[in-house]
Amino acid sequence: GAGVSQSPSNKVTEKGKDVELRCDPISGHTALYWYRQSLGQGLEFLIYFQGNSAPDKSGLPSDRFSAERTGGSVSTLTIQRTQQEDSAVYLCASSRVGDTQYFGPGTRLTVL
Amino acid sequence: KNEVEQSPQNLTAQEGEFITINCSYSVGISALHWLQQHPGGGIVSLFMLSSGKKKHGRLIATINIQEKHSSLHITASHPRDSAVYICAAPSGGGADGLTFGKGTHLIIQP
Repeated sequence: GAGVSQSPSNKVTEKGKDVELRCDPISGHTALYWYRQSLGQGLEFLIYFQGNSAPDKSGLPSDRFSAERTGGSVSTLTIQRTQQEDSAVYLCASSRVGDTQYFGPGTRLTVL
Repeated sequence: KNEVEQSPQNLTAQEGEFITINCSYSVGISALHWLQQHPGGGIVSLFMLSSGKKKHGRLIATINIQEKHSSLHITASHPRDSAVYICAAPSGGGADGLTFGKGTHLIIQP
């Protein structure tokens, strides 16, 4: 079956602009995660959605970052007023609860 | 919050060698993950284990819950095993995401 998909695959934006990154999880996976992979920091957790529960936002680095998940499926990560330090690969993963996480190909964000 | 340490950071070996990558974590966990990332590629989950040992082909993962330590072994290594191997553990403290090690950059030379 289809894996986790993310769009766009690459995004170049100017400092101060807002960006939206999309994740389509595997059908039937109720858990959805956003991670960020940057050269200096490695992989870091951003936010976690599970079903209709309130999301775990403990990894979001600032209030410029937000995410939503509509209908328990597609998720959008929004970064407002982008900064150069936001440049990274943003990864989405999905899973059944407590099971192996399946990662998407990522969105490479470059903030000029 | 869980602290995850991996060693070695870099490893170069000859084809056919037995490879061991180590991972330790600070907070008790329900399961530990081993991930693989090829250069320029996506992340693939290799193992998720909570006790004992798991084997998949030439890859073996072990975990010692009491010692908070896990190892990933590769038998009969091959150049296509060259990749970054990352261990990850639940962050703990009520957070549901993973805390990642910095990864082990493995190069297998023919």
